[in-house]
Amino acid sequence: DGGITQSPKYLFRKEGQNVTLSCEQNLNHDAMYWYRQDPGQGLRLIYYSQIVNDFQKGDIAEGYSVSREKKESFPLTVTSAQKNPTAFYLCASSIGRLAGTLAKNIQYFGAGTRLSVL
Amino acid sequence: EDQVTQSPEALRLQEGESSSLNCSYTVSGLRGLFWYRQDPGKGPEFLFTLYSAGEEKEKERLKATLTKKESFLHITAPKPEDSATYLCAASSGSRLTFGEGTQLTVNP
Repeated sequence: DGGITQSPKYLFRKEGQNVTLSCEQNLNHDAMYWYRQDPGQGLRLIYYSQIVNDFQKGDIAEGYSVSREKKESFPLTVTSAQKNPTAFYLCASSIGRLAGTLAKNIQYFGAGTRLSVL
Repeated sequence: EDQVTQSPEALRLQEGESSSLNCSYTVSGLRGLFWYRQDPGKGPEFLFTLYSAGEEKEKERLKATLTKKESFLHITAPKPEDSATYLCAASSGSRLTFGEGTQLTVNP
């Protein structure tokens, strides 16, 4: 089955610790995205990548880092600089801007990772 | 700056009671208006995308419509399994701007 896999489902972070959330897709999509969801605030974009080895900051990138070394993978690291990391993190992918189809911007989501602070 | 506003924040319906959810958007050059369904603790599930004013799409009890300033998600004769949060998003490029969602509860 094609889809987006996020792991782990639940994650706990200790004070001063960096943690990495995994996102893998087998949809052959070029573009991948990370969002943060807090209660009552909708989805906010952290980082996105349109192609391998390239990524851009979203609206709330401070305290987070990403890499895009493979087309299939877009891991997100929540660093110790992120002082309020407790949230539901969602990864998404889309065909990508270079595709010749109106459907290129449709984003498909993984099941999410819930991060809490110990 | 792109903006998306959804109303109401929450909606309670009786089974069979039809209603509509609203999504107002302000984007510079709309390249798509998207509706998603999100169940508690899960990722959003894609429902519809609309690209131009006047466009309509249907799926079971749901119908999405689009004007130049807003989109509506009409729910006809809803069932309890339609209970979820419905998210609207607008695109002016490769990014989506999401609204805060409407939490729909359908009571049997």
